[in-house]
Amino acid sequence: GENVEQHPSTLSVQEGDSAVIKCTYSDSASNYFPWYKQELGKRPQLIIDIRSNVGEKKDQRIAVTLNKTAKHFSLHITETQPEDSAVYFCAASMGDDKIIFGKGTRLHILP
Amino acid sequence: DAGITQSPRYKITETGRQVTLMCHQTWSHSYMFWYRQDLGHGLRLIYYSAAADITDKGEVPDGYVVSRSKTENFPLTLESATRSQTSVYFCATAEAAKNIQYFGAGTRLSVL
Repeated sequence: GENVEQHPSTLSVQEGDSAVIKCTYSDSASNYFPWYKQELGKRPQLIIDIRSNVGEKKDQRIAVTLNKTAKHFSLHITETQPEDSAVYFCAASMGDDKIIFGKGTRLHILP
Repeated sequence: DAGITQSPRYKITETGRQVTLMCHQTWSHSYMFWYRQDLGHGLRLIYYSAAADITDKGEVPDGYVVSRSKTENFPLTLESATRSQTSVYFCATAEAAKNIQYFGAGTRLSVL
């Protein structure tokens, strides 16, 4: 069935180091892959998204890569800062009009 | 953010009672979504709507009912609340299906 797997569930990195979160999806027709960040007690907010016609997209310290053949995509955060601590969700489009979210990764930035 | 409003923000109810969570948007976005968020499960889609009078099931629709008689409102009703429906509920809107979703502040529901 429709599924998005996300790993790891928890990630701790030293401030200034890089963080990588990986997701796989089941529907080969998926063509839209957003990433959302949710700070503690807040609502999820989009941080970056990628469509299947590109393999990589960058926005300052954040980048997303997509491998359609392997059906996986990743979020890369470089030069991590304390404010990067949050839960991150990947998602993939399913069918024509909905997206399915992964279970989330809790990222801790250690001082 | 003020363009999407959820009410109430907090709700305590008892098993068997009917509860309605409200979602209102001022952007005239076509799409509206209801998610529930539980520890270990992330965000799970309950129902969504592509336009007024069009609704469809998501991943976990059982026990929930939705309607969309007007573009700006998308209420979610628990017809007979169960303890397993204790959760944080988020409403979201989007201009198009494969586009950025804007989330409301959420409703924390406790079913005792």
